[in-house]
Amino acid sequence: SAVISQKPSRDICQRGTSLTIQCQVDSQVTMMFWYRQQPGQSLTLIATANQGSEATYESGFVIDKFPISRPNLTFSTLTVSNMSPEDSSIYLCSVVLGDETQYFGPGTRLLVL
Amino acid sequence: AQSVTQLDSQVPVFEEAPVELRCNYSSSVSVYLFWYVQYPNQGLQLLLKYLSGSTLVKGINGFEAEFNKSQTSFHLRKPSVHISDTAEYFCAVSNTDKLIFGTGTRLQVFP
Repeated sequence: SAVISQKPSRDICQRGTSLTIQCQVDSQVTMMFWYRQQPGQSLTLIATANQGSEATYESGFVIDKFPISRPNLTFSTLTVSNMSPEDSSIYLCSVVLGDETQYFGPGTRLLVL
Repeated sequence: AQSVTQLDSQVPVFEEAPVELRCNYSSSVSVYLFWYVQYPNQGLQLLLKYLSGSTLVKGINGFEAEFNKSQTSFHLRKPSVHISDTAEYFCAVSNTDKLIFGTGTRLQVFP
């Protein structure tokens, strides 16, 4: 397995501001994803973070709202832009290791006031 | 398109009792199946997975699940639960790199 870390672990932000979340893996991985978990809900895939090219977004998510960077095979960032209270969620990154299995970071708990 | 149904949103159970958390999936192709657990204020931890081979899969913390292709099910079981098993459990399916999650089952273990 790999060690996956996220920063920050939690934050409280004012509406209209932006927050950048970092995901760091201790080994090189090809596939990296970003998910959102709204309060009391399941996980929804935001996008696939592609190394060296633009992220691939799922239906309902757009680059202007959730810009993603993937500068190398161990690191990615997700920015939540122009936040509103509806963006209050847990944001998780995940990576695929070995046999088609996704492993998740500890998550970033975001509260927007 | 794939989908996952977790029939029970909450499962209350007493300590040391057996438990089964139900998961059914819908897919027109072969899939991989997973169970993840989320303890309070934590991320997701992989409990077990079915990729191929034996349909009975054993995972961590004494959990096991059985893949039933004819019933398109992947129910999670534990013969004797502990207070520390209180958590949210998510079933997930994939046939590519993308995971589709169920809505989750809240397992509440009472003393």
